Amino acid sequence: DTGVSQNPRHKITKRGQNVTFRCDPISEHNRLYWYRQTLGQGPEFLTYFQNEAQLEKSRLLSDRFSAERPKGSFSTLEIQRTEQGDSAMYLCASSPQVNNEKLFFGSGTQLSVL
Amino acid sequence: AQRVTQPEKLLSVFKGAPVELKCNYSYSGSPELFWYVQYSRQRLQLLLRHISRESIKGFTADLNKGETSFHLKKPFAQEEDSAMYYCALSGTTSGTYKYIFGTGTRLKVLA
Repeated sequence: DTGVSQNPRHKITKRGQNVTFRCDPISEHNRLYWYRQTLGQGPEFLTYFQNEAQLEKSRLLSDRFSAERPKGSFSTLEIQRTEQGDSAMYLCASSPQVNNEKLFFGSGTQLSVL
Repeated sequence: AQRVTQPEKLLSVFKGAPVELKCNYSYSGSPELFWYVQYSRQRLQLLLRHISRESIKGFTADLNKGETSFHLKKPFAQEEDSAMYYCALSGTTSGTYKYIFGTGTRLKVLA
């Protein structure tokens, strides 16, 4: 499967713990996006990268969230000191470096904070 | 501010009936509009985008800049159209290539 891959598929953690998710985009895609989705809502933009540069970060993203894409390939999203409100589906998407090209989504990581 | 509004959370229609999923947007520049679909147990995927002016699976959408709308239409619904549909917007003039999604409409096509 050469699509966008996300790991793990599910993560259950206790409040206060740190978690890290990984996204492997389609190999030739320069742009990588992270979204969060809760029940009954659409995907909410968190941040995006062009190659290794983080070009935009949502103001809704607290300091507990950090994302990296160190070599312009895979990306990680870390949440420190998780809270119950962080429970959501975390989606990764990638696209070629063409303006307003379609996004290719991964299957997501479902986070449950107990 | 960029915003996408989908007023209906759920739309139920009978097989063979026409379908219209509403989408309104707010954007100060020249937007690109998209419709994404998520079938049960599948990942989110592009259905169509306005710049392509194409019909996919019988669906069409016309960008109406005067009404700031991008409604999705299909003349005869099929049971396999049942899914979550998300309208999305991307900017072209601000240098921002993030995509803003609406809250989605669940379409149920009844036999």
